[in-house]
Amino acid sequence: GEDVEQSLFLSVREGDSSVINCTYTDSSSTYLYWYKQEPGAGLQLLTYIFSNMDMKQDQRLTVLLNKKDKHLSLRIADTQTGDSAIYFCAESIGSQGNLIFGKGTKLSVKP
Amino acid sequence: SAVISQKPSRDICQRGTSLTIQCQVDSQVTMMFWYRQQPGQSLTLIATANQGSEATYESGFVIDKFPISRPNLTFSTLTVSNMSPEDSSIYLCSVSGSPSGQGVGYTFGSGTRLTVV
Repeated sequence: GEDVEQSLFLSVREGDSSVINCTYTDSSSTYLYWYKQEPGAGLQLLTYIFSNMDMKQDQRLTVLLNKKDKHLSLRIADTQTGDSAIYFCAESIGSQGNLIFGKGTKLSVKP
Repeated sequence: SAVISQKPSRDICQRGTSLTIQCQVDSQVTMMFWYRQQPGQSLTLIATANQGSEATYESGFVIDKFPISRPNLTFSTLTVSNMSPEDSSIYLCSVSGSPSGQGVGYTFGSGTRLTVV
């Protein structure tokens, strides 16, 4: 079956790097996503990676994909207090396939 | 890519009553999706709403409990019927395509935080 696992909490100091990890089970997943949910808000797509890539960088965000181990990570460089939110890993088969979400990692950034 | 307006943003309701959540999209979309996010949990797809046909429900969700309307290509409603405290969740609508994903992924509404007392 489909399953996406994430650790539930991560706490870092402002200015440090944050690394949020995710594992998934469906080897046929073709797109993997990171969504951000700020308190009281909906989900915002931060970035995505296609399964034939192993890395994608977008400003402070770096996504690493190990397809063999079905492991996805999101690194946030120079983490700021505004990065405090819940980060959801999600997968789909095809760019418009149903999204399967992890439970989310709550990132707390301490000044 | 689409912009979604969802309302109400939050509500506190008495058990046994029903609440209708509205989702308005600023462009025509074929499919709209309704998700539930229970406290501390991930998002679970409730149903897919297509214009001109009945919604398609995921396992564990039924039309009598979560009736959906899709009268046109820009609007949908989800009703949570005969509510109980277990229905307390955030409900989100979504459409395919995302501005930050160059059309890949999904755009979500800001959610409706429902508390049933």
